[in-house]
Amino acid sequence: QTVVTQEPSFSVSPGETFTLTCGLSSGSVSTSYYPSWYQQTPGQAPRTLIYSTNTRSSGVPDRFSGSILGNKAALTITGAQADDESNYYCMLYMGSGISVFGGGTKLTVL
Amino acid sequence: EVQLLESGGGLVQPGESLRLSCEASGFTFSSSVMSWVRQAPGKGLEWVSTTSGVSGNTYYAGSVKGRFIISRDNSKNTLYLQMNSLRAEDTAVYYCAKRVPAPAYYFDFWGQGTQVTVSS
Repeated sequence: QTVVTQEPSFSVSPGETFTLTCGLSSGSVSTSYYPSWYQQTPGQAPRTLIYSTNTRSSGVPDRFSGSILGNKAALTITGAQADDESNYYCMLYMGSGISVFGGGTKLTVL
Repeated sequence: EVQLLESGGGLVQPGESLRLSCEASGFTFSSSVMSWVRQAPGKGLEWVSTTSGVSGNTYYAGSVKGRFIISRDNSKNTLYLQMNSLRAEDTAVYYCAKRVPAPAYYFDFWGQGTQVTVSS
C-alpha cells in the first residue's frame, strides 16, 4: 500500500523561509501525481493552497509556492508569519479515481 | 458563491448504518466531481470516496470499500454517503468536497463537516 510521507512537525521563526515536503514510501513524486496542498487550523475545514504542483489557489498569497524538489513535492513558505501556524497536508492523485493524503505536518511558528 | 452543507452525522453503535447528505449550491452540481473526506479525532485527512458528475463512476478507499456507498441526486443538488457496518475507526468529521476533474485532481471547495461517532 502506497504511503504518502510528510514531516510530522516543523518549527520556524517569524520571517524565515522554509520548505515542507511530500514523498512516497516507494518511488518518486512527479507532476503526474498532480500534488496539491491544503492548510487546516484546528476545528476548521481545510483550505486549498496549491494544486497541480505549483498553481496557487485563488486568494492565496504568493508567499506560498509549490514545486518538485528531487523526488518529492514541496511547499515553500517565504517569510513565515504567526498565522501560518497550522497543519499542512499534501495530496497525491494515484489514478483510477484514488487520492491519497499525507499524514500532515504541524507547523509551529515560534 | 459555492456552498457545501453537510448533515446527517450523529452517534451510532458499531454495526449500525448512517446516511450523510451534502447540499450543494453556487455551481453546476450535476457535472461536478464530488467527494467525501474524513478526519478522525486528532488525525489527518483521509480521502473516502468520489463520484464523477457525468459518468456516475464511483471510487472508494480500501478502508470503506464494500461498506460505504456514495451517490448523488442531481435534481436536488445533493451528495450522499450511505455508511453501513460502521466501526469505531469510522469515527470522524466527514467533509463533503468538490473535486476539480482531470487534469487537475484537487479539492477546490470544502464543507464545514459533520461529526460521526461510532461507539457502544
